[in-house]
Amino acid sequence: DAGITQSPRYKITETGRQVTLMCHQTWSHSYMFWYRQDLGHGLRLIYYSAAADITDKGEVPDGYVVSRSKTENFPLTLESATRSQTSVYFCASSPIRLGDTQYFGPGTRLTVL
Amino acid sequence: GESVGLHLPTLSVQEGDNSIINCAYSNSASDYFIWYKQESGKGPQFIIDIRSNMDKRQGQRVTVLLNKTVKHLSLQIAATQPGDSAVYFCAEISGGSNYKLTFGKGTLLTVNP
Repeated sequence: DAGITQSPRYKITETGRQVTLMCHQTWSHSYMFWYRQDLGHGLRLIYYSAAADITDKGEVPDGYVVSRSKTENFPLTLESATRSQTSVYFCASSPIRLGDTQYFGPGTRLTVL
Repeated sequence: GESVGLHLPTLSVQEGDNSIINCAYSNSASDYFIWYKQESGKGPQFIIDIRSNMDKRQGQRVTVLLNKTVKHLSLQIAATQPGDSAVYFCAEISGGSNYKLTFGKGTLLTVNP
């Protein structure tokens, strides 16, 4: 039972490059979320998705793109990475309702040089 | 060097003592609250939740208290163990058409053997 997984776990890229972070869950949860976690800011919601092909912006969506063609996958793309996007990114999922408990993946540490 | 705002509140306790971690929330419309535990290098892990129509909820070794009058949430951990050492943070959720989830910045709990 893999639960929710993220890949890669660590990524170093350069300013201006495109990078995609992957998130996969095996629970068939309806909702999926992307957060970034930075010292001094805690967890901030980037995007979330209620179901396949349905996505909504969170608190800090600028510079990010998401898609959800399949229920189990929710990739996050940085179209042109900037140093300010250096962070730890967490994917999460919740079963049915938007207010349900969220279950988090292990995180991806992204460094933009 | 260190910067203002990067310090988490910290709580240091002896093994076997009880721990109390506090959280002040901001939105009086929040109707669901969650406590998460985050160990170093891992994603947040659900501990316990409480709905706004309750004042207290107990789990295994943990109790959450909610005081809506002063918008305060606390997590009590009984007989704290070294494995409890982690960052703990609360999340407040307001549902309905104006869904909003906000995470607190967290408290670092250190358990001394």
